[in-house]
Amino acid sequence: EVQLVESGGGLVQPGRSLRLSCVASGFTFDDYAMHWVRQAPGKGLEWVSGISWNSGRIGYADAVKGRFTISRDNAKNSLDLQMNSLRPEDTALYYCAKDTLLVGPGSIDYWGQGTLVTVSS
Amino acid sequence: DIQMTQSPSSLSASVGDRVTITCRASQGIRNDLAWFQQKPGKAPKSLIYAASSLQSGVPSKFSGSGSGTDFTLTISSLQPEDFATYYCQQYNSYPVTFGGGTKVEIK
Repeated sequence: EVQLVESGGGLVQPGRSLRLSCVASGFTFDDYAMHWVRQAPGKGLEWVSGISWNSGRIGYADAVKGRFTISRDNAKNSLDLQMNSLRPEDTALYYCAKDTLLVGPGSIDYWGQGTLVTVSS
Repeated sequence: DIQMTQSPSSLSASVGDRVTITCRASQGIRNDLAWFQQKPGKAPKSLIYAASSLQSGVPSKFSGSGSGTDFTLTISSLQPEDFATYYCQQYNSYPVTFGGGTKVEIK
C-alpha cells in the first residue's frame, strides 16, 4: 500500500523559514517523480513544486520561485520542501504527491494527508 | 504558464443525473490532463489521467474525454458519494496548473 506521510508544518512568523518532509512507503521511491501541492483554507488546489527521480529536473510555481527549494533523499525515501521568506499567503495545507513518471511532470496517482502551515505574526 | 479554466464553478444536481464538467487549457496540452475528486476535509483522489484513462479502482460511471485544449469529465449517474469538488490539472509542462474547481452539490 502506497503511503505518503507529511510532517513539519506549524505556525511561523512572516519572513521566517520552515522545512516540510514527506516519507514514502509502499513503492520504489526512486522510480518516480514527486510533487508538493498546497491548498489555502477554503480555496482550490495549487501546485507548488515537482522533482524528478534523480533531482535532475525540477519545477516551481511562480508564486514560490526563489523562496522555496524542493529536494529528495532516495536512500531515505524522503521528499523535502525548504520554505524561506514565508508570507501570509503561503498559509495552506501542503500535500506530498506521487507522480506516475520517472522524470515528470506526469499525472499524480497518490496523495498524502497533508501538513498545515500557518504564516502569521 | 498554461491557464486551466473550469466550468461551471458549481452546480446543483439530483441523484441519478448525468453531470458534465468542462476544462479548457490556454494552449494545447495534447492529452496531458488529469481529474481529481476532493471531499471536505479529505485529500484529493485521482480519478482520470491522460484525459480519458481511469485510475485503478475508479468506477466506470466516471469518464473523461478531450484532447488539445478542451476536456470534459462526465459522471453518468450521480450518486450520494459523488457530491464533492472536482479539479482538472494539466501536466504537459512545468509549471503544472490546476483548474479552479467545480463543486457538485445536491439539488
